[in-house]
Amino acid sequence: ETGVTQSPTHLIKTRGQQVTLRCSSQSGHNTVSWYQQALGQGPQFIFQYYREEENGRGNFPPRFSGLQFPNYSSELNVNALELDDSALYLCASSVDRTANSPLHFGNGTRLTVT
Amino acid sequence: DQQVKQNSPSLSVQEGRISILNCDYTNSMFDYFLWYKKYPAEGPTFLISISSIKDKNEDGRFTVFLNKSAKHLSLHIVPSQPGDSAVYFCAASAMRDAGNNRKLIWGLGTSLAVNP
Repeated sequence: ETGVTQSPTHLIKTRGQQVTLRCSSQSGHNTVSWYQQALGQGPQFIFQYYREEENGRGNFPPRFSGLQFPNYSSELNVNALELDDSALYLCASSVDRTANSPLHFGNGTRLTVT
Repeated sequence: DQQVKQNSPSLSVQEGRISILNCDYTNSMFDYFLWYKKYPAEGPTFLISISSIKDKNEDGRFTVFLNKSAKHLSLHIVPSQPGDSAVYFCAASAMRDAGNNRKLIWGLGTSLAVNP
C-alpha cells in the first residue's frame, strides 16, 4: 500500500511568484486536505477536496487554490507569494470526508519565500 | 485565538515510566479529538482518537482520556520508550461542520523526550 507522497520536498521562491505543490493520495482514499504549518505552530487547515470538489476552506485568501484529479491526487497553488507563506505544507488523505476516518499525512513540502 | 491548547511545550520522562500529555479546548462544538505524533522531517502520524460520547479509548500503550465538563483531554503512554520521543499534537473537529469537511483544529504540540 503506497502512502501519501508530496513533491517537491523543498522549494525556494521569490516574493510575488507562483508555486504549485503536488500530492498523491493513499490508495483507496478519495478525500484530500491541505494544511500549512509555520515554524513552532500546529498545522492550519487550508482546504479539503472530496471527489474533485472543494469541500471546505479555512481562513486563507483566494490566492490559495487547489485541484483534485480523477485519480484523487491533488495540487495546491499559491499565487503572489508573500514572505509569510514560508512554511511546511502538508497534504493528508482519508478514506472519506467524515471525522472518524483518520488523516494520513505526507512528509510535506518545505516552501521558503525570499 | 487558540481553540486547542497544549500548554506544555516540552516534557521529559524516563524510559519505562508514564508520559502524560495534556490538551485543553475552548470550543464546546468539538466532538471528535485526535492525537498525532510527528518526527522531524516527517508528516504527522495518527495515534489515537476519541469521540465525545466516550471518556476513554485505549490502544496498546496509548490511552486517551476525555473530560468534557473540563474541556480537557490527555494522552497516557505506558510504558514510555525512547522511540516515543517526538512532537505530539492534539487536534479537534466538529463533526457538524458545514459540508461535513475534515477541518481539524490543532494545538501547538508538545515535544516529548524519553530518556534511556
